[in-house]
Amino acid sequence: KQEVTQIPAALSVPEGENLVLNCSFTDSAIYNLQWFRQDPGKGLTSLLLIQSSQREQTSGRLNASLDKSSGRSTLYIAASQPGDSATYLCAAFNQAGTALIFGKGTTLSVSS
Amino acid sequence: GAGVSQSPSNKVTEKGKDVELRCDPISGHTALYWYRQRLGQGLEFLIYFQGNSAPDKSGLPSDRFSAERTGESVSTLTIQRTQQEDSAVYLCASSRQSGGNYGYTFGSGTRLTVV
Repeated sequence: KQEVTQIPAALSVPEGENLVLNCSFTDSAIYNLQWFRQDPGKGLTSLLLIQSSQREQTSGRLNASLDKSSGRSTLYIAASQPGDSATYLCAAFNQAGTALIFGKGTTLSVSS
Repeated sequence: GAGVSQSPSNKVTEKGKDVELRCDPISGHTALYWYRQRLGQGLEFLIYFQGNSAPDKSGLPSDRFSAERTGESVSTLTIQRTQQEDSAVYLCASSRQSGGNYGYTFGSGTRLTVV
């Protein structure tokens, strides 16, 4: 059974810092992994999707990596801004590729 | 439509009443998913539909929960005899197809409060 863990649960940084959010998953036979952002009281916004054959994806100041052998993914945020404050969710597909299994998220606070 | 649409956005109901939540996926998306997010918790998978195939109901927490979807259209999630522990945000997502090659697009959710 796929389980997804995210560390840390919460993170506070000053504006401008580079930071890394960590995600680990128990079943390395994943199809792909997706990172989302969730703002308070709102739905989820997809940030990056990494196919199982890929090792990383980049979008603007965001870079996500995937290491299937170690069961890990990281989300790197460069030059953080107060607008980056949100909860970041990592989700890995189950082995059948039918459903995303979510971690509990890392809540990021960027102060100006 | 341009995005996944869920209604109502908020629902307050009395304990013991039945509620019906609606999800309208992106046109052409064959896969549809329901998740539940309790306050301060992660997302729990409830049910998955793929076209006309039998749904994966493995995440439904009890027989009070059921969902329907006809073809690739609207889905409804029904909760019978609601309990206070059913209070949560219910999120719907759709995907171009299942199999893990396409990401999910989520709706804004329905916030259910059982009083």
